[in-house]
Amino acid sequence: EAGVTQSPTHLIKTRGQQATLRCSPISGHTSVYWYQQALGLGLQFLLWYDEGEERNRGNFPPRFSGRQFPNYSSELNVNALELEDSALYLCASSLGTGGRDQPQHFGDGTRLSIL
Amino acid sequence: KQEVTQIPAALSVPEGENLVLNCSFTDSAIYNLQWFRQDPGKGLTSLLLIQSSQREQTSGRLNASLDKSSGRSTLYIAASQPGDSATYLCAVRQTGGFKTIFGAGTRLFVKA
Repeated sequence: EAGVTQSPTHLIKTRGQQATLRCSPISGHTSVYWYQQALGLGLQFLLWYDEGEERNRGNFPPRFSGRQFPNYSSELNVNALELEDSALYLCASSLGTGGRDQPQHFGDGTRLSIL
Repeated sequence: KQEVTQIPAALSVPEGENLVLNCSFTDSAIYNLQWFRQDPGKGLTSLLLIQSSQREQTSGRLNASLDKSSGRSTLYIAASQPGDSATYLCAVRQTGGFKTIFGAGTRLFVKA
């Protein structure tokens, strides 16, 4: 069974640009989660999608947005990039029924570097 | 506001030793608690998930317990091996809003 896959592995951008990160969940999983892991700040919850709908978001500005497609894959978009957006962005997926009682399985992440 | 704390922040033990990692949380309104390991520069590997109605879960040399009323969980690793060296993270899934809150992790080093 293929795990959660994320692309690209690394992404280098400059301040003010826009970044798009992609995530494919495990087959059969309908919930997708995005997390930011910045140096020294730990894992911070960003967004949760389930059945194509945004279910919740963490304490991040609106320039962090995303969507989930009919095949349950997901995109995370970050606009007007700032230096402090440099981080490892992790995607996780879980089974449905809201996903709240199911284990989350993680991809290897996208390393976003802002120059 | 839910806060998750992991103690110790770092731990170094000789190979073969049994060890316990601790996780505490401030709000007991949780659906579940999940333990992960993270190798440097990598994603998270799920180890164990304990539902709020459960007391413990076991997988191989790993045993995780949950005391929801006191806001505590422990991860017990038996007969540690150098391959166990990694950062171990605990995370709670809240009932309100279903957000997942992570602790800062415990960095474990097992010496051969």
